[in-house]
Amino acid sequence: GAVVSQHPSWVICKSGTSVKIECRSLDFQATTMFWYRQFPKQSLMLMATSNEGSKATYEQGVEKDKFLINHASLTLSTLTVTSAHPEDSSFYICSASHPGGGYEQYFGPGTRLTVT
Amino acid sequence: DAKTTQPTSMDCAEGRAANLPCNHSTISGNEYVYWYRQIHSQGPQYIIHGLKNNETNEMASLIITEDRKSSTLILPHATLRDTAVYYCIVRVALNNAGNMLTFGGGTRLMVKP
Repeated sequence: GAVVSQHPSWVICKSGTSVKIECRSLDFQATTMFWYRQFPKQSLMLMATSNEGSKATYEQGVEKDKFLINHASLTLSTLTVTSAHPEDSSFYICSASHPGGGYEQYFGPGTRLTVT
Repeated sequence: DAKTTQPTSMDCAEGRAANLPCNHSTISGNEYVYWYRQIHSQGPQYIIHGLKNNETNEMASLIITEDRKSSTLILPHATLRDTAVYYCIVRVALNNAGNMLTFGGGTRLMVKP
């Protein structure tokens, strides 16, 4: 149990276009999901907290108008990178808190975004 | 959340125990020690967590010193698939859905044949 999926697993897009990444909790409901970004050889950095039915909470320095987060249901959160630039190329990872498991966070497999 | 200090990297021979240390000298009484690992190009995986008592599950054992200022994650029989970055995170209990995790640099464990 406690499986989190992401789609796509990798994507290549051109500079200036937008890319949507989906995060799903497959076997549990998650009122809160988290979005992280990880650059090569670096640790995970929290970007935002996604709350079902309300606005996301963004970490300092993360542009909310560039990284649009929608948490429309208890099993799905989406991250849209708008007007992507090469510096947005990164590994994006989502996680969800499993309420029945003491709220340990379970992570998706990640999405590698490359902006050309 | 208390800061943790981990060695940057460690090597371990396949089949031997891997002992990964973590210092958390400023840990508070209500803070737990959580361990996650991240295999290359994958999302982090929860391993184990504890407060003061030693803990064991199917993946690993967690030994926490009596003063709680340090801990050790033990993989009893390391395999090549255990090669990963291991993160020690100290924080209050994840007792609601909004509790986030803060990742440090972690220890890059290389299991060698």
